[in-house]
Amino acid sequence: DVKVTQSSRYLVKRTGEKVFLECVQDMDHENMFWYRQDPGLGLRLIYFSYDVKMKEKGDIPEGYSVSREKKERFSLILESASTNQTSMYLCASERTDEQYFGPGTRLTVT
Amino acid sequence: QKEVEQNSGPLSVPEGAIASLNCTYSDRGSQSFFWYRQYSGKSPELIMFIYSNGDKEDGRFTAQLNKASQYVSLLIRDSQPSDSATYLCATLSGSARQLTFGSGTQLTVLP
Repeated sequence: DVKVTQSSRYLVKRTGEKVFLECVQDMDHENMFWYRQDPGLGLRLIYFSYDVKMKEKGDIPEGYSVSREKKERFSLILESASTNQTSMYLCASERTDEQYFGPGTRLTVT
Repeated sequence: QKEVEQNSGPLSVPEGAIASLNCTYSDRGSQSFFWYRQYSGKSPELIMFIYSNGDKEDGRFTAQLNKASQYVSLLIRDSQPSDSATYLCATLSGSARQLTFGSGTQLTVLP
């Protein structure tokens, strides 16, 4: 079974803080993704990565950056958190077009 | 803009009935199609994928694809209360390397 884990289930941060969300997969997948999910807006892709040190912008990259130093780990960084980044953040790992999601991190920025 | 449209629902069916979930997509280059189930407060879980026109069956689930009409559906036979969830449709274009998701249909199966 594919296992994707995320560092926190719930996180509360203050406006302006730097926030790190980490995702780890144990299946040696090359492709990993970060999404945010908001009511009425569905899942929106923030960034994705095809390999170590590779990254591609998704549909809504503004205000975010990513890091992939090791194949199994893909980090999402909010350089200066803002209240409009309050959301559910979902990481996914991909095997032959099939994406498997982690449990999600519900981030609240106050 | 590539779009995937789903009826947001909520869709309610009685236990034992067939639930029919529909999805249309705008990108004619879409080649792969996926259905995810998402329980409240949980992350999406892949339940079906289909690549070719026609039907694909897996237990109580049947995915149907009609590329000419740009339409994909999910049928759930003998619906159970445990099927109550939001169902997300997603497509993958042959050129793009990212999924495009619909906003989901909320299904409630009434005991």
